[in-house]
Amino acid sequence: AQRVTQPEKLLSVFKGAPVELKCNYSYSGSPELFWYVQYSRQRLQLLLRHISRESIKGFTADLNKGETSFHLKKPFAQEEDSAMYYCALSGSGGYNKLIFGAGTRLAVHP
Amino acid sequence: NAGVTQTPKFQVLKTGQSMTLQCAQDMNHEYMSWYRQDPGMGLRLIHYSVGAGITDQGEVPNGYNVSRSTTEDFPLRLLSAAPSQTSVYFCASRGGTLIENSPLHFGNGTRLTVT
Repeated sequence: AQRVTQPEKLLSVFKGAPVELKCNYSYSGSPELFWYVQYSRQRLQLLLRHISRESIKGFTADLNKGETSFHLKKPFAQEEDSAMYYCALSGSGGYNKLIFGAGTRLAVHP
Repeated sequence: NAGVTQTPKFQVLKTGQSMTLQCAQDMNHEYMSWYRQDPGMGLRLIHYSVGAGITDQGEVPNGYNVSRSTTEDFPLRLLSAAPSQTSVYFCASRGGTLIENSPLHFGNGTRLTVT
């Protein structure tokens, strides 16, 4: 079965500390992975996708097919990074059937 | 552009009542979808549509109906509400079939409580 697992419900860090939001997936084919973010009182929006290999707002994520992971990282957290983060998989259903993880709430404290 | 607009923002229903959650987008997107968001379960796909007149089931379609008579609108109908349908519902759209990996654009959500 295709699945996205985000093991942490809450990740709490201090400003300036490194951040790693974990995402593991199960899919036997060639996956495409995404990170979506929901800031307080804003809409859910795309943060980054692995095929773009880009850094958005200082965040990066590398697809590791051996470990079936797509962890989101930022070397120095900022208070404005506080949000709900969702990892999503485009598997056999393609882009029409994205599979989302349960989400991780990141809280960055001053 | 307003993007994806959902109405209402909040709704309380009694068990057995019916209602329609409205979703409209003004970006001429072919793809539209409905997700429900529950604590600890993330977003789960209910139904989706790849164009007017075409709908298909997602992961959790039972208890919900959809139709797509226009490109702009994709209403979600609850025919007989149940407490298990208490959730936050999100509508999302995406650019046309030539831009398959374009991002999802989400609405603000509808918080539904069924008592």
